[in-house]
This record gives sequence, C-alpha cells and structure tokens, in this order.
Amino acid sequence: LAKTTQPISMDSYEGQEVNITCSHNNIATNDYITWYQQFPSQGPRFIIQGYKTKVTNEVASLFIPADRKSSTLSLPRVSLSDTAVYYCLVGERGGSQGNLIFGKGTKLSVKP
Amino acid sequence: DSGVTQTPKHLITATGQRVTLRCSPRSGDLSVYWYQQSLDQGLQFLIQYYNGEERAKGNILERFSAQQFPDLHSELNLSSLELGDSALYFCASSPRTPTNEQFFGPGTRLTVL
Repeated sequence: LAKTTQPISMDSYEGQEVNITCSHNNIATNDYITWYQQFPSQGPRFIIQGYKTKVTNEVASLFIPADRKSSTLSLPRVSLSDTAVYYCLVGERGGSQGNLIFGKGTKLSVKP
Repeated sequence: DSGVTQTPKHLITATGQRVTLRCSPRSGDLSVYWYQQSLDQGLQFLIQYYNGEERAKGNILERFSAQQFPDLHSELNLSSLELGDSALYFCASSPRTPTNEQFFGPGTRLTVL
C-alpha cells in the first residue's frame, strides 16, 4: 500500500474553507484515494473517495491532479463540529489486503 | 449511526484475563474488520474476515484471535491480557462491491488494570 504524508495539524476559523493536502508519491495504477474523519472516542467515518480529477459530495470535495501523486480534501465553510482528525488512505478498492492503513492523520482544530 | 454494533461498550479487567468483544456488521455486509486504537500506536488493523473466512491479517498478536460466524457476526478474543492491551477496539464492515468505504462501529473501550 502506498505511503501517505499529511500535515500533523491545522487550525482554522468557523466559516473558512479548509484544504488538507496528502502526498502519495508511490500511488499505484489501481489505487484509489479515500478520506476518513474521526472524532475523539468514535470510529472513523468515510468522507469521500476518488481516483482522478475532482469528486464532490454533500460534505467535501476531493481534488486529484493528473499525476495523482497528491490529493487535497476541501471542506467548505467549516464549523466547530468539523474539529476532528482527518485521515488520507491510498489503496485498491477492496484490494487483496482488504484493509486500510491509517497513518497519524491531520488534526483539524476549528476556532470560533 | 453506522449500522455496526459492538458490545460491550466498556470493559474493565485485570492482567492475565481473557475477554471477548462482539461485533455485528451492517445488514448485507460480508466483510468484518477489527482495529485497535491506542494513544501511542494510532489506529492499527488487526484482522479481516469475509463471509466466515479469514481474508487478511495485520498486526494481530498471537494472544488475540477472531472468528466470524455463519450469521456474520464476529468475535475478537483477547487472552493473557497485559496493561498495554488497554485501547479502543473498533469493528468495521464493508459492502460486497469493491470499495474502501468501511463502516465503523462505536468501539469497545478495554481497560486492563
């Protein structure tokens, strides 16, 4: 599974757009990029998944450049409730390992 | 609510003891995953079952074992418990179609005294 690198922490204010970038230089052809959100003492929650270009859902957008060596999770107009740890994962969908490697994640703190 | 249930919510036990954690996946999901999350190790994948069979193994200790039953619920057995086994244990399930979307349960907090 491709190794990912993301910032350890980020600060933001309510109402701002937050962009969290993840580097995955060794991404393989069959790999997808998946982002999860985790609140303290809760299980991670799937946010978004993509392969290339841009994916958008009701919660976030995921931007993936043509070389796919990085990706950016964009959270529009964050609120205090978006304070959480965000994990970037790369791997085949339901791949042979079938598991996801969670790194340290990015701890996002949203301030009023 | 992810649809994945885990029991018990909290468990306090002593070193050397054995405990069993239980997980019921979302209706229709065949895959069950177990993860351990401690303060210093982060979220670690332990083991995956698919339709009753072991599919993948991660950093699972020999003192730990798991199984998935015909009704698809799963149990994680932890034996000869040590202080370092204190952690949150999460179960997750995923749909049949190829996806990296896993649905996590609320977790079981294990405290070993």
